[in-house]
Formats: sequence, structure tokens, C-alpha cells
Amino acid sequence: DTGVSQDPRHKITKRGQNVTFRCDPISEHNRLYWYRQTLGQGPEFLTYFQNEAQLEKSRLLSDRFSAERPKGSFSTLEIQRTEQGDSAMYLCASSSTSGGTGELFFGEGSRLTVL
Amino acid sequence: GQNIDQPTEMTATEGAIVQINCTYQTSGFNGLFWYQQHAGEAPTFLSYNVLDGLEEKGRFSSFLSRSKGYSYLLLKELQMKDSASYLCAVKKLTGGGNKLTFGTGTQLKVEL
Repeated sequence: DTGVSQDPRHKITKRGQNVTFRCDPISEHNRLYWYRQTLGQGPEFLTYFQNEAQLEKSRLLSDRFSAERPKGSFSTLEIQRTEQGDSAMYLCASSSTSGGTGELFFGEGSRLTVL
Repeated sequence: GQNIDQPTEMTATEGAIVQINCTYQTSGFNGLFWYQQHAGEAPTFLSYNVLDGLEEKGRFSSFLSRSKGYSYLLLKELQMKDSASYLCAVKKLTGGGNKLTFGTGTQLKVEL
């Protein structure tokens, strides 16, 4: 049984560089979410997909952020021209629309540090 | 928009009972979750309420009043391992489906 996996777990980059994070959801889950979390705060919604369709994107997300889920399985989150304010934990979660509560199952996160 | 309010920090004694409150304001309410998050780890699901009333799961219970926009998480027989952040999250029905919005979390410290 594999849960949600994220890669890399840690990324240190210099300001201005591009970074990409990958998320592999639970295989039978059709919904995939990206959240950002900073110290002492709750997860902040960024975007989510149902299958390959991106259904909603936060207004807080600047044009430097883009997410894809090309085949409705794994997803990538790219941040271009990183800024120090982008330093955070990027959490991926997945859920199923087939009955149940619709609870989100989270991955361990990708921690980004922008120097 | 949505407002979700919960206390920032709470302290309780091992073996005691603690209640963590959450109030929310939102349109399209479609359920409320409680998650636990230990430092440096991912949030994990604790409970879900969509109808008014109390849901009990072992040492954890969660209550919801939709008319008051209020929920609480009750933890009984506190253990040191319960020291963590407790996140209240509201599920909202949007045009594209359901979306979870989280509060800032309540950092619970359990002391001897």
C-alpha cells in the first residue's frame, strides 16, 4: 500500500532559479491538491485537479506558479524565478470522489528554501 | 471568502480532557474536518462532521453546529503523544467540486 509520495523532500535554491516538485497520489484517487504551508500556519490552498483537469487555482498564486497533471496521475508544481517569500512546505494531497467523506490524504511535503 | 478561527495555542495536562474550538463563516458549507499534524509531518485525518451533532472515535470526539458555524474537537485521556497542531478545515462546495480550506491550527502542548 503506497500513500501520497512527493519528490524531492527538500530543495534549496538560489533566488531567481526555477524549481519543480512532483507528486504521486494514491493510485485510485481522481482528485489531487497542492497546498503551501509556512511555519505556524495551516495549509494554504493553491490549486486542485480532478483527473487531468485543473478545476481551481488560488488567486494568491502568481503567474510564476504553474501546475500540471497531464495524464490524470502524477502532478508537477513548478515555480519560476523563485523569491525568498516562496520558502515554505509544499504539500500534495489526494482524495476520491467515490463515496466516503472526501478526506484528503497528504504526502510528506516538499520543503523549499530560497536563499 | 471564508473565515476560520481557532485558538493559536493550548496547554493541558496528561490524563486530562481538552476542547479545541473552531468557528467558521462560509457559503456552500459541505462538511468540516479535523486533522492532526505533528511537527515536520503531514496532516493526518482525525474526524469529519457534516450533520449537527457529536461524532465519537475512541479518545477523540468532534461536534458540529451548522447554524452556529461552530465545531469543537474533544480529546480525552490526554497522552504526551497528543502534543501536536490540530487543524480545523471546512469543505466548501464550489463550481468545480469540493475544496478544503484550513484554519491556522491550534498548537496543543501536553504536560506532565
